[in-house]
Amino acid sequence: EDQVTQSPEALRLQEGESSSLNCSYTVSGLRGLFWYRQDPGKGPEFLFTLYSAGEEKEKERLKATLTKKESFLHITAPKPEDSATYLCAVREGAQKLVFGQGTRLTINP
Amino acid sequence: DGGITQSPKYLFRKEGQNVTLSCEQNLNHDAMYWYRQDPGQGLRLIYYSQIVNDFQKGDIAEGYSVSREKKESFPLTVTSAQKNPTAFYLCASNGQGGGYTFGSGTRLTVV
Repeated sequence: EDQVTQSPEALRLQEGESSSLNCSYTVSGLRGLFWYRQDPGKGPEFLFTLYSAGEEKEKERLKATLTKKESFLHITAPKPEDSATYLCAVREGAQKLVFGQGTRLTINP
Repeated sequence: DGGITQSPKYLFRKEGQNVTLSCEQNLNHDAMYWYRQDPGQGLRLIYYSQIVNDFQKGDIAEGYSVSREKKESFPLTVTSAQKNPTAFYLCASNGQGGGYTFGSGTRLTVV
């Protein structure tokens, strides 16, 4: 069974302080690794999809990278509006996504 | 604008009562999903449907039921058999692979 583990559970940074979130996974044949952002009381918002080791994608202050066992979401010079819970998921089978428990990120001004 | 609409945003259920959560999409997606989210936890799959008139149980289907009579609609009923229904419920859809599109969620509380 596919498993996804995210660390840390919570992370508090100062504005401008760069860091990384980790997503470790075990899956028999990766069909896609997904990153989402979720604000309190709202549905997850799609950020990135990665398919193969070595792949990288960027969006504003965020960059996602992928290896054979884990993915990192790098946050460069974050701003308070980057505060949210970041969810990682892997595709299981043809359509199902299996999610990690998320990392709650807080950026203090 | 295309998207997923969930209603109501907040729902209160009395003990022993069935309630139905609505999910409508205008993205022309074949696949639709229901997830449950509890505080500090990730999303857990309740039911999913890859085509009209067909659906499969997810990891935590007990106490829930669904129907898929139209491509656009995938309602979820939380039955009295679900002993701990208080949670945030998320509906999602997916076209030809790639990331899911999520609705804004329904927060269900037992009173």
